[in-house]
Amino acid sequence: AAGVIQSPRHLIKEKRETATLKCYPIPRHDTVYWYQQGPGQDPQFLISFYEKMQSDKGSIPDRFSAQQFSDYHSELNMSSLELGDSALYFCASSSSLGGSHNEQFFGPGTRLTVL
Amino acid sequence: AQKITQTQPGMFVQEKEAVTLDCTYDTSDQSYGLFWYKQPSSGEMIFLIYQGSYDEQNATEGRYSLNFQKARKSANLVISASQLGDSAMYFCAMREGDRGSTLGRLYFGRGTQLTVWP
Repeated sequence: AAGVIQSPRHLIKEKRETATLKCYPIPRHDTVYWYQQGPGQDPQFLISFYEKMQSDKGSIPDRFSAQQFSDYHSELNMSSLELGDSALYFCASSSSLGGSHNEQFFGPGTRLTVL
Repeated sequence: AQKITQTQPGMFVQEKEAVTLDCTYDTSDQSYGLFWYKQPSSGEMIFLIYQGSYDEQNATEGRYSLNFQKARKSANLVISASQLGDSAMYFCAMREGDRGSTLGRLYFGRGTQLTVWP
């Protein structure tokens, strides 16, 4: 079965650079979530999109922006990178038609290292 | 305040034994969902089991069962017949406003690192 695809899997950037993370949800999933997991930390919600509209916003820095495109893939854009942005970034997708679980399926994550 | 509390940073269990991972939650919503995820050292987040706040029966999925005690606001994960491959970080998570809600961020606990020894 198709899973959530994230690219790149690993990314190394310098401070003050920009980065773009991509997420391709499971086909027919209409909701995408982004989470940030710092080293040894629990995942923290950043932002979500439903049907290409922002549906919820968490602790996402102003330096970050995200959007969901017409094909439902999503991109997380990160500018002026800081050392503290080094983390594992997860994308998850779910379907609004998925029953009461509305389980979020997670991608493998993008490991961002800022030097 | 932390919405999900996992008080066990680390747990050890011998192969073939059962183990319980604790999770308590805090919400004022009547409708919510509770999830357990497994995160191996490779980093991916694997869904294990779900319990809805209105579900009367405890959820079970193979060797995983969820001991749901609503009055105590606890949702402990029980893994029976532990295997070496169960060694991983386990996260408890909650989504508020569940039951037909199509949207909802997950709140995660700090996780419990489970080590299964032979």
